[in-house]
Amino acid sequence: SYVLTQPPSVSVAPGQTARITCGGNNIGRKSVHWYQQKPGQAPVLVVYDDGDRPSGIPERFSGSNSGNTATLTISRVEPGDEADYYCQVWDRSSEQYVFGTGTQVTVL
Amino acid sequence: QLQLQESGPGLVKPWETLSLTCTVSGGSVSINGYYWGWIRQPPGKGLEWIGTIHYSGSTYYNPSFKSRVTISVDTSKNQFSLKLNSVTAADTALYYCARAAADIAVAELTYYFDYWGQGTLVTVSS
Repeated sequence: SYVLTQPPSVSVAPGQTARITCGGNNIGRKSVHWYQQKPGQAPVLVVYDDGDRPSGIPERFSGSNSGNTATLTISRVEPGDEADYYCQVWDRSSEQYVFGTGTQVTVL
Repeated sequence: QLQLQESGPGLVKPWETLSLTCTVSGGSVSINGYYWGWIRQPPGKGLEWIGTIHYSGSTYYNPSFKSRVTISVDTSKNQFSLKLNSVTAADTALYYCARAAADIAVAELTYYFDYWGQGTLVTVSS
């Protein structure tokens, strides 16, 4: 089955840029979606189709996808961005939704 | 605003059946272009997709659960449900219901979860 690998943790200072990677075999050929999950809360979609944002999500959240790596970028990081982030794809060949392993973002 | 709410027992005995229902309000489950799904999260761990269903009855299941899981939809009640058989302690988790939106991107069909319930904790213990 298809596997998505994320770094367990990323640390960033307020105002700086956080980049969270999601690795998968030829992931650039798939659409990647990203979720933010704060402690005790349900996940929230922050980026879909590689780089589109749902209504209400700040422009500070952006995404890119190429080759074997997709990236969620959070610009001008705020303390409120501290959360776990998960990537997700739909794997057509196996007809499965696949989540990444998750990355904990800590704002220093 | 679409809302999803999980309901069901918070405690299930080992080897029994876990049963949860998701009630959808502010919208209909009987709409093309969307599937309705279950995702779980064991304590301190990541997200794991269980399965999804279309109002027509079409389903996708995670092969890890396929022999134990059944997802059904009741359009008259605007609900969909999860049944997981023969549960063990490893099935203890926060269970979420969510709506999966279908989209065409990069010239290919994809799905993402755009609305989620708040989640319900199910503990498997005697």
